[in-house]
Amino acid sequence: AQSVTQLDSQVPVFEEAPVELRCNYSSSVSVYLFWYVQYPNQGLQLLLKYLSGSTLVKGINGFEAEFNKSQTSFHLRKPSVHISDTAEYFCAVSDLGGGNKLTFGTGTQLKVEL
Amino acid sequence: KAGVTQTPRYLIKTRGQQVTLSCSPISGHRSVSWYQQTPGQGLQFLFEYFSETQRNKGNFPGRFSGRQFSNSRSEMNVSTLELGDSALYLCASSFSGSYNEQFFGPGTRLTVL
Repeated sequence: AQSVTQLDSQVPVFEEAPVELRCNYSSSVSVYLFWYVQYPNQGLQLLLKYLSGSTLVKGINGFEAEFNKSQTSFHLRKPSVHISDTAEYFCAVSDLGGGNKLTFGTGTQLKVEL
Repeated sequence: KAGVTQTPRYLIKTRGQQVTLSCSPISGHRSVSWYQQTPGQGLQFLFEYFSETQRNKGNFPGRFSGRQFSNSRSEMNVSTLELGDSALYLCASSFSGSYNEQFFGPGTRLTVL
């Protein structure tokens, strides 16, 4: 069984400040890791994914994440946020070769303020 | 390329009724997954269909069922609706394996009164 923990339910940050959204996972097998963003009244959009290789993954909209196997973490970072980054962010995992079942964390609401 | 479409976008039903939601995947995608999103339980996997066969199933009661047609379009059905079934139901499509990006539709907002 897998689980994903997003410790911060809400993260307020000022515009142009850096931000880190934390994600830790637990799994007995190797997994793929994902970050999705959800804007109000919309579906989910993929920000980035880690499948293998370099542990630093770059995604869309200036986001990046680092996979740390020893700490079972996959934290999301952005060096300078914009008002338009206000949204809910979900970390997710899936089994290798096990189809498309995603296990999501509870989400982190990022609120960017002026 | 058109995205994932879900119909209807909003639905109001009463307890005990049944409901059918539809999802049209991106052209060429053979996998369709369904998720339930609620404030209390978050995002939970319902099931996945690939080439008309259920490939994965989440921990939901048998009242929740689905199917996939030969054109990859999928439907999910919920029978004997309960108040707790009120949720946003999201559909996602992808080419095949778990390494492929899943593209999500805008969801169907179901309210059970």
